[in-house]
Amino acid sequence: RKEVEQDPGPFNVPEGATVAFNCTYSNSASQSFFWYRQDCRKEPKLLMSVYSSGNEDGRFTAQLNRASQYISLLIRDSKLSDSATYLCVVGADKFYFGSGTKLNVKP
Amino acid sequence: DTEVTQTPKHLVMGMTNKKSLKCEQHMGHRAMYWYKQKAKKPPELMFVYSYEKLSINESVPSRFSPECPNSSLLNLHLHALQPEDSALYLCASSQRDRGGSDTQYFGPGTRLTVL
Repeated sequence: RKEVEQDPGPFNVPEGATVAFNCTYSNSASQSFFWYRQDCRKEPKLLMSVYSSGNEDGRFTAQLNRASQYISLLIRDSKLSDSATYLCVVGADKFYFGSGTKLNVKP
Repeated sequence: DTEVTQTPKHLVMGMTNKKSLKCEQHMGHRAMYWYKQKAKKPPELMFVYSYEKLSINESVPSRFSPECPNSSLLNLHLHALQPEDSALYLCASSQRDRGGSDTQYFGPGTRLTVL
């Protein structure tokens, strides 16, 4: 079983849509949680850390559910520039990466 | 400034060549990482250095040899690579290696092609 699981997508959505990604993790001792964004042929860039109380940064909202061992990312009012692969990363003894969810935002 | 730099951006090498990848950060981070990423796959951890000492080697073949000359620099020496080693090699750093607690920042990567 993979340490971190994500739906690979792709998610194809129109501009202005709201889209949600989920990620589940297997290690209940995991301590830290992140969403990274990766554009084609570029490096992963930190989008946001995910805190137990949930956190928001503009159009992006991240939630953590420790009991069910999943984290989520909600993107509101999608822009064309949001098209990318979104990587869920969980820190335990080391960092574990999900396989990434591809988002295509269409005009 | 959360910048990690890597050189070169692109590298093409033959199977008998010896080359090195370089990574640098000036954020005072004491943990540095090498990852390998193939197309449409997530990054795979190769090595972790903590306070300039190798703390994790994910059973990487010996044709990859990491080196951490000081707290700001990380090298990856390559020798006798195979075509299947062609990938994007990413360097990352974090404040401390606290078992995956601190945020990692990635460099732009070196795109390696082995002929």
